[in-house]
Amino acid sequence: GESVGLHLPTLSVQEGDNSIINCAYSNSASDYFIWYKQESGKGPQFIIDIRSNMDKRQGQRVTVLLNKTVKHLSLQIAATQPGDSAVYFCAEDLTGGGNKLTFGTGTQLKVEL
Amino acid sequence: GAVVSQHPSWVICKSGTSVKIECRSLDFQATTMFWYRQFPKQSLMLMATSNEGSKATYEQGVEKDKFLINHASLTLSTLTVTSAHPEDSSFYICSARRLAGGSTDTQYFGPGTRLTVL
Repeated sequence: GESVGLHLPTLSVQEGDNSIINCAYSNSASDYFIWYKQESGKGPQFIIDIRSNMDKRQGQRVTVLLNKTVKHLSLQIAATQPGDSAVYFCAEDLTGGGNKLTFGTGTQLKVEL
Repeated sequence: GAVVSQHPSWVICKSGTSVKIECRSLDFQATTMFWYRQFPKQSLMLMATSNEGSKATYEQGVEKDKFLINHASLTLSTLTVTSAHPEDSSFYICSARRLAGGSTDTQYFGPGTRLTVL
């Protein structure tokens, strides 16, 4: 019989292009947000975080933007490389202290050569 | 810094047996550790929060008698899946909260343990 599985949203980009991964969070009271990268068969890896009193934060090749008005978070990856291929999760923390994270559904990023 | 390890990385067991998974923070002390479960192509679901020296706090729907958590030291938490059944097969991931020195504590994740129950 036919198997039915879940499908993660997928973003395909060319190597060298910029990637933008979006996330809508649920709780307007959330105070702290984190982006994680998860490669197949591995645990999530911290990428960058941002607190609710900021709207932008930059790291090495990555930028996180926070729009509290529409409860939207985005991760921008500059000059995407094959090693960036993974599933990316946003997580929100209502407490602001890293006590309890709620993860989004995830986006599969595929980098094409 | 902020390295978290898990052992074993994978385990296969027979139905009805118990399996213990260890989570260690290698280069920092973690007063709080977390246990998550992840099914294929799904997100992480928090199972329980483990505090050193006290009882774990379980999320709604997670059986505390089935998933025993012990946080015996500031660097070690264990999850024991008791009387495992095939439906317990999953990817179990722990995290440890590291005090960043400011007002924000970040969770760092272990590499995960793949449990397969036959």
